[in-house]
Amino acid sequence: GENVEQHPSTLSVQEGDSAVIKCTYSDSASNYFPWYKQELGKGPQLIIDIRSNVGEKKDQRIAVTLNKTAKHFSLHITETQPEDSAVYFCAAKGSSNTGKLIFGQGTTLQVKP
Amino acid sequence: EAQVTQNPRYLITVTGKKLTVTCSQNMNHEYMSWYRQDPGLGLRQIYYSMNVEVTDKGDVPEGYKVSRKEKRNFPLILESPSPNQTSLYFCASSLSRRPGNNEQFFGPGTRLTVL
Repeated sequence: GENVEQHPSTLSVQEGDSAVIKCTYSDSASNYFPWYKQELGKGPQLIIDIRSNVGEKKDQRIAVTLNKTAKHFSLHITETQPEDSAVYFCAAKGSSNTGKLIFGQGTTLQVKP
Repeated sequence: EAQVTQNPRYLITVTGKKLTVTCSQNMNHEYMSWYRQDPGLGLRQIYYSMNVEVTDKGDVPEGYKVSRKEKRNFPLILESPSPNQTSLYFCASSLSRRPGNNEQFFGPGTRLTVL
C-alpha cells in the first residue's frame, strides 16, 4: 500500500546551523507533498508544499526539494532558530480521488541556543 | 478567525463508555477528516468526508464512527472505547479534495485516555 518513510526521527542542531529532513514515498503517482510543523500542544500547521511538476520551492529560510525519479523529497531549514524546534511531518497525496494524505512518522527537531 | 475547533481537548474515560469528540470548522470547507497520532506512527487517517452526508473509511476506521449532517460539523464517535484507542486525535478540514485546494487545516487536538 501507500507508504511514506521519514528520517531522521530526531534531529538536534545548533542555532544558526542548517537542518535537513528526508522522506521517501511509495506511490509513483503521488502529486502533492506538503510539510507540516507541529508545536507542542498544537495541531500541525502547513509550512510549505510542492507539487510534482516542480523540483524545488523556497520560502525565506525553508525550502523543499523533490526528486520524482527517486521518489523522495526533503525539507531544508537554514539559519535555524530556537523557535524552529518542533515536530515536522512530511506527507504525500496519491493519485486517488479521495484527497487522502499519507504522513511520515515525524521528526522532532531541537535547535539549541 | 478561521479555525477548526475540537472538544474536549482532554478526556479520560473507561472501557466501553460511549463518547463523542466534536469537530467544527468555520471556513465553509467541503472536506473534513479525522486522524490519530501515535508515537513513531505519524498521523493516520480514521475517516474522512468529502461533503455533507458523504463519509468514508480511512486507514484505521475500526472502532470509530462519524457523521456529517452539516457542512461545518464532523463528530467522531467511539461506541465502545478500548485502551488501544488511547491516542491524540486531530480533526482537519480543507476547501476540497482537489489539488490546489486541499491544504488541510488542523484542530488543536484531543488527548484521549481509555482505562
